[in-house]
Amino acid sequence: DQQVKQNSPSLSVQEGRISILNCDYTNSMFDYFLWYKKYPAEGPTFLISISSIKDKNEDGRFTVFLNKSAKHLSLHIVPSQPGDSAVYFCAAQGGSEKLVFGKGTKLTVNP
Amino acid sequence: KAGVTQTPRYLIKTRGQQVTLSCSPISGHRSVSWYQQTPGQGLQFLFEYFSETQRNKGNFPGRFSGRQFSNSRSEMNVSTLELGDSALYLCASSLVRSWTGELFFGEGSRLTVL
Repeated sequence: DQQVKQNSPSLSVQEGRISILNCDYTNSMFDYFLWYKKYPAEGPTFLISISSIKDKNEDGRFTVFLNKSAKHLSLHIVPSQPGDSAVYFCAAQGGSEKLVFGKGTKLTVNP
Repeated sequence: KAGVTQTPRYLIKTRGQQVTLSCSPISGHRSVSWYQQTPGQGLQFLFEYFSETQRNKGNFPGRFSGRQFSNSRSEMNVSTLELGDSALYLCASSLVRSWTGELFFGEGSRLTVL
């Protein structure tokens, strides 16, 4: 049972354009959501998070949107840069449960 | 401040052998979690240790085990290796329990089982 789903295994965008990465979840108990970025041969690094009491959180070029009724969140990167090319993992947690990760979306930003 | 350190970075084993992976968390972090990453499966939770006690466990067979020492360093062990155990094993540490927010990951130990 996959509680956190990233339905797009890959995404390709042009440099300077917007990248939108999507994530859906099924567990209503989740109340905290995170995005991690992973480069090859490195561990994932924390990017941005959002609590369920908010519907938007912004940090520089990165914005995460949360739609609780749809159990959907998205990560927007504007403008996209070639250095953003990586695998992006969506993760969710709630109560005392472990952090649950999606399968990841590989983003490629073309110069 | 040193990050999470995992050793070894790469290793090759054969079926039936066992392997032990080590993780040194960020200084002061008391929680260590282990994840398995395989192509197409993302990051799958193995277990979490806090104050030398296993606090949470994922859906992995008993061949996967771990422990945490008094200095918060952690080891995980996989016995009777199978081909499907080939993966990147990631350790993550956090100041308190892992559900309170950000995890800091190491670079991983890449295990290949032949």
